[in-house]
This record gives sequence, C-alpha cells and structure tokens, in this order.
Amino acid sequence: AAGVIQSPRHLIKEKRETATLKCYPIPRHDTVYWYQQGPGQDPQFLISFYEKMQSDKGSIPDRFSAQQFSDYHSELNMSSLELGDSALYFCASSSPGLTDTQYFGPGTRLTVL
Amino acid sequence: AQSVTQPDIHITVSEGASLELRCNYSYGATPYLFWYVQSPGQGLQLLLKYFSGDTLVQGIKGFEAEFKRSQSSFNLRKPSVHWSDAAEYFCAVGAGDSGYALNFGKGTSLLVTP
Repeated sequence: AAGVIQSPRHLIKEKRETATLKCYPIPRHDTVYWYQQGPGQDPQFLISFYEKMQSDKGSIPDRFSAQQFSDYHSELNMSSLELGDSALYFCASSSPGLTDTQYFGPGTRLTVL
Repeated sequence: AQSVTQPDIHITVSEGASLELRCNYSYGATPYLFWYVQSPGQGLQLLLKYFSGDTLVQGIKGFEAEFKRSQSSFNLRKPSVHWSDAAEYFCAVGAGDSGYALNFGKGTSLLVTP
C-alpha cells in the first residue's frame, strides 16, 4: 500500500539559510499534519491542512510557513534557520471521514550547522 | 489542555515476558487515544487506537490496550515480547482546535533482553 512520502530524507543547512520540506500524502487523503521531533523528544504538532486550508496550528515558529497545494501535497518552508531547528520533521496524512487516524511518513532529518 | 503522561521513561523486559506500558491522559471529554511505535531513526507506526465502544482494543503485532475512563488510562500490553519489539513507544491523544492534532507523551523506551 502507498505510504506518505517525504522529501528530502536528509537535509543539511547553515544557520540563517532557508529550507523547504515536502510531503506527499497517501492517495485520496485530504488532510496533512506536520510535526517536529527534536533529539530524544516527543513529536510536537506544528500545523495541519484540510482541503488546502489551514485547519489547526500548534507550536510553529513565525519563521516557518506551510501550505497545501491542489494535489494535496504540502510544503513546510523554514527561514532564518537556527541551530535549534535541527530535528526530525514528520508529515502525516489522514483520509476523509477518518481524520482521526494519522499515517506518518518516514520523516526529514534537518541538520542546521 | 489535553495531555498525555507516560510515567516510565525506560523499561527492560526479557524476551518472552509480558509487557505493560502505562499511559495516562488528561482530557475533558472522551478522547481519541493512540499508541505509536518508533524504531531508531524511523517514522511512527500506528499500533492501535481508541475512539469509542469496546474499551479493549486490539492492534498490530500482538499488542492490545485497554481504555479505563475511571483511571484516565490507556495502557498498552503484550503477552509475550519479542526482541524485535525493542523500540520507542508513544501514547498520543487527539487534541488541538480540530481535535485531530496529536499530543504525544514523552515516550517509553523498551529494551528486550535475551
């Protein structure tokens, strides 16, 4: 079965640079969630989209923005990167009528030097 | 605010022994509750979930969990642990304005000894 695809899987950036993470949900899933997991930490919810509209917002820094496109893929844009942004970024998707079950992608490991 | 507590940071069990991982939640209504497992450097895999109905839910890989409203708990159990079960286990509750964003516990790291 198709799973959530995230790209890139690994990303290395310098401080103050920008980064764009992409998420391709499971086919026919219309809701996307973004989570950040720091080293040894639990995942923290950042933001979610339903039908291309922001549906919920968590602890997402102002330096970050995200959107969901017409094909339901989503991108997380991160600017003015800081060392503390180094983390594993997960995307999860859910299907219509079953928005309470999220399926996670493999994550993008971002390292900020 | 909805929250989840996993009291045990690390647990060590012998292969073949039974396992119980504890999870307590704080929520005003009937919560959506989940258990996820994460192997090192990997994504999160859903083990099982509870929304309503039967309080004993079965999941994948032989896991089960029981929802106890009186104790605000959703403990994960497995009768016989395999070495491949060694991983990080996260309990989560549906939260946020939409009710669907997940609040995770801090996780329990499971070590399985021969």
